[in-house]
Amino acid sequence: NAGVTQTPKFRILKIGQSMTLQCAQDMNHNYMYWYRQDPGMGLKLIYYSVGAGITDKGEVPNGYNVSRSTTEDFPLRLELAAPSQTSVYFCASGPANEQFFGPGTRLTVL
Amino acid sequence: DAKTTQPPSMDCAEGRAANLPCNHSTISGNEYVYWYRQIHSQGPQYIIHGLKNNETNEMASLIITEDRKSSTLILPHATLRDTAVYYCIVRVGDSGYALNFGKGTSLLVTP
Repeated sequence: NAGVTQTPKFRILKIGQSMTLQCAQDMNHNYMYWYRQDPGMGLKLIYYSVGAGITDKGEVPNGYNVSRSTTEDFPLRLELAAPSQTSVYFCASGPANEQFFGPGTRLTVL
Repeated sequence: DAKTTQPPSMDCAEGRAANLPCNHSTISGNEYVYWYRQIHSQGPQYIIHGLKNNETNEMASLIITEDRKSSTLILPHATLRDTAVYYCIVRVGDSGYALNFGKGTSLLVTP
């Protein structure tokens, strides 16, 4: 099993550009999550999903959108990128007592 | 979720036990204590969790006080690879919602 995979690993965006961060899991988990981690800080939840077709906002959803059309995939969309979205983005899956995290996407917005 | 308090940083010599404390004085009866760690530039990794009994697995031991107001994560023989930020999280078990990561304890294991 590959676990949780994320692409790309690194990305530099210009202000106002858009992009989609990809996340996939092969563990058949219903729950999936997107977090962001700013330098020197803890993780903050952006969005989560409890199953295909069901998503909900976390603590910091502004500037992001998600979709969950399949159990395996949970992409995160950034529209109109801003410097405040410079961060490391982690996708996770699984029940809350044992979440499996991906390796992260390091995003810089200039 | 109950609030947790952890020291910002700790040191430990390689081969010795690392004891990481966590205070959660407002914990309620149905809240579990979870521990995760994050090695530099990697995603967080689940370590262990417990309700009121002490727990042990291949990675660590979790000691929860009788009043459940504090707990200690024990890495019995710390190695350099255990250098990481350790997060103590208190919440209702398996509700399906995400974890509230705070700032954690930065553990440095030294040779």
